[in-house]
Amino acid sequence: DTGVSQDPRHKITKRGQNVTFRCDPISEHNRLYWYRQTLGQGPEFLTYFQNEAQLEKSRLLSDRFSAERPKGSFSTLEIQRTEQGDSAMYLCASSLWGGQGDTGELFFGEGSRLTVL
Amino acid sequence: QQQVKQSPQSLIVQKGGISIINCAYENTAFDYFPWYQQFPGKGPALLIAIRPDVSEKKEGRFTISFNKSAKQFSLHIMDSQPGDSATYFCAASRYNFNKFYFGSGTKLNVKP
Repeated sequence: DTGVSQDPRHKITKRGQNVTFRCDPISEHNRLYWYRQTLGQGPEFLTYFQNEAQLEKSRLLSDRFSAERPKGSFSTLEIQRTEQGDSAMYLCASSLWGGQGDTGELFFGEGSRLTVL
Repeated sequence: QQQVKQSPQSLIVQKGGISIINCAYENTAFDYFPWYQQFPGKGPALLIAIRPDVSEKKEGRFTISFNKSAKQFSLHIMDSQPGDSATYFCAASRYNFNKFYFGSGTKLNVKP
């Protein structure tokens, strides 16, 4: 399977704990995005990387959230001191930016569902 | 402030009918307008997309109609099938695709 993969698919944690999600994008894609989706809503932008550089972060992303893409390949999204309001589906997407292959299409993973008790 | 507003929230259509979902946007800098389809337990997948230099784009049973002056665009699904039952999201982005703004989604149910 050469699509975007996310791990874990579901995480249940207690309030105050830290959680980390991993995303493995499509190998040739240079852009990687994190989105958050709550029930009945569309995906909401959190941050994106071009190669290893984090180019933009949403103002909604509090200091408890941090994302990395250390070698321009996989990415991690860490949430510290989780709160019940963090419960959501965290979606990762990748795309190819620049060149003739750049169509703007986002390829999403199946998401990591976080439940904070 | 919601950048892209989508309606209706839910839609029930008989098999063979036409499904129409509407979206409106405010930011005239948006340059790319995709529609994504999402099945339960799956991530969204691109269905069809349009740029503002054309008023309509058709791919199979799916058509986007785009009205630049009204800042509105819509998805038409012709001959709707039960397999089309899913949640549909419109979205908008600037030319550099750095950030996509999604609508709140429309849950489509096509009855056999």
